[in-house]
Amino acid sequence: NAGVTQTPKFQVLKTGQSMTLQCAQDMNHEYMSWYRQDPGMGLRLIHYSVGAGITDQGEVPNGYNVSRSTTEDFPLRLLSAAPSQTSVYFCASRAGGSPGPGNTIYFGEGSWLTVV
Amino acid sequence: GESVGLHLPTLSVQEGDNSIINCAYSNSASDYFIWYKQESGKGPQFIIDIRSNMDKRQGQRVTVLLNKTVKHLSLQIAATQPGDSAVYFCAEKGTGNQFYFGTGTSLTVIP
Repeated sequence: NAGVTQTPKFQVLKTGQSMTLQCAQDMNHEYMSWYRQDPGMGLRLIHYSVGAGITDQGEVPNGYNVSRSTTEDFPLRLLSAAPSQTSVYFCASRAGGSPGPGNTIYFGEGSWLTVV
Repeated sequence: GESVGLHLPTLSVQEGDNSIINCAYSNSASDYFIWYKQESGKGPQFIIDIRSNMDKRQGQRVTVLLNKTVKHLSLQIAATQPGDSAVYFCAEKGTGNQFYFGTGTSLTVIP
């Protein structure tokens, strides 16, 4: 089982460049989301999607775009990278409906992004 | 909004001892909680979860305890092994099915 797959694992960007972090899941999960993880802070929600064609903003959406054209894929786009976006990014997914035992959140292995 | 905190940022235990990692949450209406393990350079890995209608739930070598009165969650790891060394953090389901994550406790197992 591949689960949640993220690419690339590591990326260095120059300020102002744009890029896309890829996320794919093979569990037919309806719900997908992107988080960032910074030192001394818990995971913070950037954007999420409850199904194909539906996306919404999380806690820290500024500077990021998402789209959900298929159930499997949920790419995160950095429009114009800034040093403040240096972070570790995690994609997550779960089945639809209310989360609970048997319907929990699964994470990818992360993408380490440095903006110089 | 919700906040999720951990009582200690680091914990060192001897191999074979039991470990207890604590977490405090702020929203008394939260009804679902998760514990994750995160090894260096990897993504969070699900360990165990619990609904608010339970006080205790056991897995393989792990037990989660929920005290709703004081809004406290704990993870107990029995017979801690070197492979248990990692950062552990809790997650709380808040309003709108959004989750709030703690900052984590770094567990070091001393051989």
